[in-house]
Amino acid sequence: QVVLSQSPSASASLGASVKLSCTLSSGHSDYDIAWHQHQAQKGPRYLMKVFSDGRHINGDGIPDRFSGSSSGTERYLTISRLQSEDEADYYCQTWGIGFVIFGGGTRLTVL
Amino acid sequence: EVQVVESGGGLVHPGGSLRLSCGVSGFTFASYWMSWVRQAPGKGLEWVANIRQDGSETYYVDSVRGRFIISRDNAKNSVHLQMNSLRVEDMAVYYCARGGGSIGGEINYWGQGTPVTVSS
Repeated sequence: QVVLSQSPSASASLGASVKLSCTLSSGHSDYDIAWHQHQAQKGPRYLMKVFSDGRHINGDGIPDRFSGSSSGTERYLTISRLQSEDEADYYCQTWGIGFVIFGGGTRLTVL
Repeated sequence: EVQVVESGGGLVHPGGSLRLSCGVSGFTFASYWMSWVRQAPGKGLEWVANIRQDGSETYYVDSVRGRFIISRDNAKNSVHLQMNSLRVEDMAVYYCARGGGSIGGEINYWGQGTPVTVSS
């Protein structure tokens, strides 16, 4: 069964960029993933799909400050020009027939 | 505009039952898989169940299989989660979500959630 691993926390300064990572378990480098943002007291928000070949497609209304990439079993979410409202939990997610898996989430603090 | 709205959450005793509902608008409901995802207090997101467009396939996380039933009514643009034999560990905010792709696993729209409290 595929497992997704994320660092529990990250921080970056207002206006800077940050790159969050999501690691697929060994042998699962062909999985596409999705990234979701979960701000406090709100429903989660779909950000994008990141393909195993490195492409990404942003969801409806997601600004291009949010981008995705991949390398091997690593999937990345890069947020540029950080704003205070980007402070949130970020989850990666993947899927197969009969299952959906989330990573443990990364809490991003904007300094 | 896509809208996903959950209802039916509340307080229930251990061993009790609760039925969650989710109404959607802004897209062709019958063309999409639908999922339920939950978040227990202080924990991350956990997928619970999903259902194929025509209701012919349903899948569950191991911890709820045999206790929860996901269903849908395409005529009413709604999906439901019947939760039976509830346990304290089922206490969470439950989110309804739309699934994309051929097997519906790529969640691409979320509701705001409905809280379920399981306590004596």
